[in-house]
Amino acid sequence: QVQLVQSGAEVKKPGASVKVSCKASGYTFTGYYMHWVRQAPGQGLEWMGWINPNSGGTNYAQKFQGRVTMTRDTSISTAYMELSRLRSDDTAVYYCARDPCSRDGYNCLDYWGQGTLVTVSS
Amino acid sequence: SYELTQPPSVSVSPGQTARITCSGDALPKQYAYWYQQKPGQAPVLVIYKDSERPSGIPERFSGSSSGTTVTLTISGVQAEDEADYYCQSADSSGTYEVFGGGTKLTVL
Repeated sequence: QVQLVQSGAEVKKPGASVKVSCKASGYTFTGYYMHWVRQAPGQGLEWMGWINPNSGGTNYAQKFQGRVTMTRDTSISTAYMELSRLRSDDTAVYYCARDPCSRDGYNCLDYWGQGTLVTVSS
Repeated sequence: SYELTQPPSVSVSPGQTARITCSGDALPKQYAYWYQQKPGQAPVLVIYKDSERPSGIPERFSGSSSGTTVTLTISGVQAEDEADYYCQSADSSGTYEVFGGGTKLTVL
C-alpha cells in the first residue's frame, strides 16, 4: 500500500532553516510528482510547490521562491523540502503529497504524509 | 496572485444536501479538485477533474462545473461528513496551484 512517512516535529529559531523528509513506499517513487503543502494553525491549506522525482525538476509557488528548495534521493525513495530564513509565520504543519495527475498535465494529490509540525520561535 | 473563493461555512441537517461552491477566473479552463479534512488529519481527495470520484469515496459526493464556479455536492449528508472542505486548481497558465480558503461543513 502507498505510504508517505514524514520526519518528526522541529523547533527552530527565526532566521534558521528546516529540512523535512518524506519517505515513499508502495509505489514507484520516480513515477509521480511530489508536492509540498503547509497549513498554519487554524488556517487553510497553502501550496508550496512540487518536485519531479524522476528528473529533479521543480516548480515553486512565487511566495516561496528564493526560500524553498525541494530535492530528492531516488536511492531511498525520499523527497525533501528545505525552507530557509524562517519567520514566526512559517509555523505550520508541512505535508508532502503524491500527484497521480501530473502525467496528464494536471496536478492533484491522492496520498498525503502524516504532516510535520515546524514551530518557529525565539 | 490567483485566488479561489469559498464560503467560510455551510450548515445542513442530516439527510439533506450540502453544496459548497468555489469561484475563480481560471476555472473555465482548469480542472478543480476537492479535499475533505477532518481535525488532526491529513486531507483526503474526494473529487478530481471537476466531477470524477476516486475509488473508495461514497457516491453521495459529486462535483460539477459551470463557468467560473465549481460545486461540491454531498447528497444525504451524514454526521461523518462534518469536516473542512478545500477546492484546488491552477492559475490560467497552469503553472501554479492554489487552494481555496476552505469551507467548514457543519451537520446540525
